[in-house]
Amino acid sequence: NAGVTQTPKFRILKIGQSMTLQCTQDMNHNYMYWYRQDPGMGLKLIYYSVGAGITDKGEVPNGYNVSRSTTEDFPLRLELAAPSQTSVYFCASSYLPRTYNSPLHFGNGTRLTVT
Amino acid sequence: GDSVTQMEGPVTLSEEAFLTINCTYTATGYPSLFWYVQYPGEGLQLLLKATKADDKGSNKGFEATYRKETTSFHLEKGSVQVSDSAVYFCALSDPNFGNEKLTFGTGTRLTIIP
Repeated sequence: NAGVTQTPKFRILKIGQSMTLQCTQDMNHNYMYWYRQDPGMGLKLIYYSVGAGITDKGEVPNGYNVSRSTTEDFPLRLELAAPSQTSVYFCASSYLPRTYNSPLHFGNGTRLTVT
Repeated sequence: GDSVTQMEGPVTLSEEAFLTINCTYTATGYPSLFWYVQYPGEGLQLLLKATKADDKGSNKGFEATYRKETTSFHLEKGSVQVSDSAVYFCALSDPNFGNEKLTFGTGTRLTIIP
């Protein structure tokens, strides 16, 4: 059972380039999330999705876009990379919504550097 | 808004030592509280949780008690092992929030020396 799989593990981008961070889960979870983790900071929610076709903004959505065409996949798109987007990105999923205190299942993260 | 304050790291202990990692929180409602652990090279995973005041969460020898009077959820373990070396995150989930946000602390890196 793979759980939550993120690709790539590492990436270096030049300012202004674009890329998509991939996330897929095989647990049939409806709820999926993208977080970023900056050095010395807690995780911040970028976007989340409560099911296929439904997405919503989190705390720090600027500069990012998401889509959710299937239950399994929740890609995160950076259109014009900026140095402020240098971070470690985590995708997560859960079976139930947050209000049921359902645990989050995290991927191993993508370390992105924008120079 | 909601916030979580964790003990500054890094923390280095010898094997079999007693561990405490402090966590205090600020929330408008009655949050649920969590400890997540991140082992090297892996994503975060839930370690334990408590959903109401005076609840004690426990797992793998770790414990934390939800103290509403002191707004705290300190993580403890009586005898740590090298395999406990990881980064530990305290987090809260406030039911008054209108979205799926968990509020995380900054994380505390723990290193256990044999």
